[in-house]
Amino acid sequence: GAVVSQHPSRVICKSGTSVKIECRSLDFQATTMFWYRQFPKQSLMLMATSNEGSKATYEQGVEKDKFLINHASLTLSTLTVTSAHPEDSSFYICSARGQGGTEAFFGQGTRLTVV
Amino acid sequence: AQSVTQLGSHVSVSEGALVLLRCNYSSSVPPYLFWYVQYPNQGLQLLLKYTSAATLVKGINGFEAEFKKSETSFHLTKPSAHMSDAAEYFCAVSDFGGNQFYFGTGTSLTVIP
Repeated sequence: GAVVSQHPSRVICKSGTSVKIECRSLDFQATTMFWYRQFPKQSLMLMATSNEGSKATYEQGVEKDKFLINHASLTLSTLTVTSAHPEDSSFYICSARGQGGTEAFFGQGTRLTVV
Repeated sequence: AQSVTQLGSHVSVSEGALVLLRCNYSSSVPPYLFWYVQYPNQGLQLLLKYTSAATLVKGINGFEAEFKKSETSFHLTKPSAHMSDAAEYFCAVSDFGGNQFYFGTGTSLTVIP
């Protein structure tokens, strides 16, 4: 199957700083990328959907100014958590879907800890 | 709008026993349905998917699921559980265009030796 690489796998940052998470599709063109947040022992919560070259569509309750999503190319999307706070600590997962594809392929996830 | 409901947040089975994980969906249009498995601190791996072809779908690791429109269900089964099957399982639904992708709350499977 297609490969999606997410980096970094773990990051620790200080409160008030910003953190960027990258999601790359290695062997296909990702026309759509999804960003999820997962709390311990819980399901994945869709944060936003982005189509290459367009602004991301955020789910209700997700602050677009805090979680900046860029999908400037067909192989790369980034999620930047701005002015991070301890409550932003979570597991963030991206997934990518190609043009006409029926499934989304997932990255390995990023464990963000804000101290 | 689509949504999925997974009945049973925790399921325990004995090694060698049947595995049955339940998923019911709600969709105003014919959906695509998926089962994913997640191991601790990892991303999700696709087990199988239904995309309006055969209603009985076979996936990896001996898992299969049957799409039943009349029951709006897509339950995941495996005839004989293995210790390595212990993980978190998520049912997901998307629309035909794949523009929305939503997950159930997950079921944690424990396999007892």
